[in-house]
Amino acid sequence: DVKVTQSSRYLVKRTGEKVFLECVQDMDHENMFWYRQDPGLGLRLIYFSYDVKMKEKGDIPEGYSVSREKKERFSLILESASTNQTSMYLCASNPGTVAGEISYEQYFGPGTRLTVT
Amino acid sequence: GIQVEQSPPDLILQEGANSTLRCNFSDSVNNLQWFHQNPWGQLINLFYIPSGTKQNGRLSATTVATERYSLLYISSSQTTDSGVYFCASLRDYGQNFVFGPGTRLSVLP
Repeated sequence: DVKVTQSSRYLVKRTGEKVFLECVQDMDHENMFWYRQDPGLGLRLIYFSYDVKMKEKGDIPEGYSVSREKKERFSLILESASTNQTSMYLCASNPGTVAGEISYEQYFGPGTRLTVT
Repeated sequence: GIQVEQSPPDLILQEGANSTLRCNFSDSVNNLQWFHQNPWGQLINLFYIPSGTKQNGRLSATTVATERYSLLYISSSQTTDSGVYFCASLRDYGQNFVFGPGTRLSVLP
């Protein structure tokens, strides 16, 4: 079974702090994603990565950055946390291709509920 | 870009009842996926269904791409079906999705 883990289930930070959210997948997947989930808005893509050291902006990248130094790890960074970044953060991974065919299946981590006070 | 809408936003059922969740999308899509998020927050894939009908146990899904909608059917609902159901449409680039706002389902014993 694919396992995607996130460093914390719950996190409370103060405004202005630098926050690191870590995501690790154990299945050698090519693609990794960071979403935030807010009531009534579904999941919105923040950043994604198709390869080590590669990153692409999603729909709402402002206020966030990411790092992918190793294939299995994708980090989301809030440079200076603000109260409007209080949310549930979900990491996902995707294998890229399976048996030569493009795979669209996404495997999600359990989520980190971040509160910024 | 693609817009994804879902209805109803909330649904309360008695255990054993059937239900239909709807997903509309604003433009032609190449494919569509349904997800379930359980009450503890874990999201899992249910169906990847660009067109046609698929069934998995008590759940089935139908996508009519030409009419820009997809339906998720839940039969003989159980309390473990509770949670939020999302549909998501693949963007026209890459392997990531645009998600709808979700339908929150509560199945009462």
